[in-house]
Amino acid sequence: AQSVSQHNHHVILSEAASLELGCNYSYGGTVNLFWYVQYPGQHLQLLLKYFSGDPLVKGIKGFEAEFIKSKFSFNLRKPSVQWSDTAEYFCAGGSTGGGNKLTFGTGTQLKVEL
Amino acid sequence: GAVVSQHPSWVICKSGTSVKIECRSLDFQATTMFWYRQFPKQSLMLMATSNEGSKATYEQGVEKDKFLINHASLTLSTLTVTSAHPEDSSFYICSAAAAGPYNEQFFGPGTRLTVL
Repeated sequence: AQSVSQHNHHVILSEAASLELGCNYSYGGTVNLFWYVQYPGQHLQLLLKYFSGDPLVKGIKGFEAEFIKSKFSFNLRKPSVQWSDTAEYFCAGGSTGGGNKLTFGTGTQLKVEL
Repeated sequence: GAVVSQHPSWVICKSGTSVKIECRSLDFQATTMFWYRQFPKQSLMLMATSNEGSKATYEQGVEKDKFLINHASLTLSTLTVTSAHPEDSSFYICSAAAAGPYNEQFFGPGTRLTVL
């Protein structure tokens, strides 16, 4: 069965700390992977996406993610977080030809303290 | 990037009434639209997938007679919550996808429904 899992449910960091949020997927065939962010009171925004090619994907606001096929992972990273990065982060995946359907992880609530 | 709008952004209604939520893709043609429900501090739960001109496909456990979905054009899908009850109070989010293999969806801002 297709699934996406996020193991960190709540993360608290100080400003300037480095961030890594875990995401693992379980898919047969070619997978497309996404990270979305939801700031308090706002709608989902796309941070970055992976379809194929370079497994290191750079997104907006200094975020990046690395697709590691052997580990079925697509972890999100940022070298130095800011207070404004406080938000909920969702990993999502879909299979090519799967009718655009996405499966979302349970989300990670990130709080960045000053 | 592609823009998806939802209307209304919030609605309060009495128990037993019906509420319609609109989802529009503003600058692209959406062959597929999705409706999600999000409970506080939880992930998005896919309710149904709708393709233009055909019946929606509902996820297991979602009552199709309660959550009516219409995808009348390539830019508009509507979700009607019929005979709403307090347990239907939630945040409803739509997304839209253009034709293609890459699963990319563009999300609307959501609609907060409160049923009294």
